Amino acid sequence: EAGVAQSPRYKIIEKRQSVAFWCNPISGHATLYWYQQILGQGPKLLIQFQNNGVVDDSQLPKDRFSAERLKGVDSTLKIQPAKLEDSAVYLCASSLEGQPSYGYTFGSGTRLTVV
Amino acid sequence: KQEVTQIPAALSVPEGENLVLNCSFTDSAIYNLQWFRQDPGKGLTSLLLIQSSQREQTSGRLNASLDKSSGRSTLYIAASQPGDSATYLCAVRIYNQGGKLIFGQGTELSVKP
Repeated sequence: EAGVAQSPRYKIIEKRQSVAFWCNPISGHATLYWYQQILGQGPKLLIQFQNNGVVDDSQLPKDRFSAERLKGVDSTLKIQPAKLEDSAVYLCASSLEGQPSYGYTFGSGTRLTVV
Repeated sequence: KQEVTQIPAALSVPEGENLVLNCSFTDSAIYNLQWFRQDPGKGLTSLLLIQSSQREQTSGRLNASLDKSSGRSTLYIAASQPGDSATYLCAVRIYNQGGKLIFGQGTELSVKP
C-alpha cells in the first residue's frame, strides 16, 4: 500500500511569513494526525482529525496555526504568521478508524526553517 | 498526565555489540507501545508494535518487551551494524484521549565500524 504522502519536504521562510503543508494519508485511514517535532525532542501532537472532524486540537496554537481536512481525506496545516520557534519538522500520520490496536504510519515530514 | 522517558539519550557502541534501549511511562492505561526509528532529516519508520496484552514482539534482530505494570519497555538490538545508527523513539497510545501517541525524547544510537 502507498504510504503517507507529505509535501513539501523542506521549506525556508522569514518570520512573519505564512506557510502551508499538505498531507495525503493512507487510503481508508479515517484518522489523521499532525505532529510537531522540534530538534532533539520527540514529536508532539498538534491536531487529530477523525474523517473531517477535529478530535483533539488542545495543543494547537490557534492564534497562528490552522488545519483543515476537507472531504475527510487530504489535510493542510497552515502557519500565519510564522515565528522563529516554529522551526521544526512537521509530521503527518494516519491510522485505521476505531482500531486503536493498530499502529500509526508516518509520512516523511516537512522540515520548516524560519529565519 | 502521561510522560514517557527514554534512557540513555545517546549511545555509541562498536559494531557487533548487542544493546538495549530503555523506555519508561508513568500511566499504564495504554492501548499499545510502538518503537520507531528516525534517520536524520527523515520521518518515522515503525519497527515494532506491542499491544497492551502482549509481553514482547520480535522482528529480525530486534526484540521489544513490554511490562505494563511497571511502566517499562526495552528494545534489544542484536549484533549491531553501522546501518542501525539512527534515533530510536518509543511512544505509547493512551486511552480516552482519541488514541494519541505520547513520545519519549529518543535515544540517538551510533554504531561504529
